[in-house]
Amino acid sequence: EVQLLESGGGLVQPGGSLRLSCAASGFTFSSYAMSWVRQAPGKGLEWVSVIYSGGSSTYYADSVKGRFTISRDNSKNTLYLQMNSLRDEDTALYFCAKDYRTSSWSQFDCWGQGTLVTVSS
Amino acid sequence: QSALTQPASVSGSPGQSITISCTGTSGDVGGYNYVSWYQQHPGKAPKLMIYDVSYRPSGVSNRFSGSKSGNTASLTISGLQADDEADYYCSSYTSSSTVLFGGGTKLTVL
Repeated sequence: EVQLLESGGGLVQPGGSLRLSCAASGFTFSSYAMSWVRQAPGKGLEWVSVIYSGGSSTYYADSVKGRFTISRDNSKNTLYLQMNSLRDEDTALYFCAKDYRTSSWSQFDCWGQGTLVTVSS
Repeated sequence: QSALTQPASVSGSPGQSITISCTGTSGDVGGYNYVSWYQQHPGKAPKLMIYDVSYRPSGVSNRFSGSKSGNTASLTISGLQADDEADYYCSSYTSSSTVLFGGGTKLTVL
C-alpha cells in the first residue's frame, strides 16, 4: 500500500524557519517526482514545489520562491521542504503528493494527510 | 500566476448530472493535456478523480468524466449520489513548469 506520512509542522513566529518531512512507502520512491501542496484554513489547494525523481530539477510557486527549498533523500525514501522567512500567509496544511506516473509530473495520485504549519506571533 | 477559474458552487439532486467548468489560458489548460480533477471531502486529503483531461484512475466510478475545449476543462458527474458531495478542484500543468489549481467548487447534493 502506498503511504505518505508528513511531519515537522508546528507553530513558528514570522521570519522563522521550519523543515517538513514526508516519509514514503509502498512504491519505488526514487522513480517518481514528488510535490508539496498546501491548503490554507478554509481555502483551496495551492501547489508549492516539485522535485524530479533524481533530485536534479526543482520548481517553485512564485509565492515561495527564494524562501523554500525542496529536497529528497532517495536512500531514505523521504521528501523534505525547508521553509525560511516564514510569513503569516504561509499558514496552511502542507501535503506531500506523489505523481501518477514516472514519465511526467503534475498529476497526483497519492497524498499524505498533511502537517499543519501555523505562522503567528 | 492566478488560479484557474471554477464556479464557487454547484448543486444537483440525486440521480441528476452536473458539470463543473475550469477555465485557464493557452499557457495552462489550453496548452497541455495534463489536466486533473480532485475530490476532497471535509478533513480529508484530495483524491485524484480524472487525469490527462479525461482518464479515470483505477477504482474511480465511470460516473465521473472529463473533457476539454480550448482553454476550458470540464468535469461531469452523472447519477449524482450523496457521497459525491465534496469540494472539487481542477489543476493543470503550466508553461512555467508549475501546477495551477482552480479555486475549488463546492458540490451540494440536494
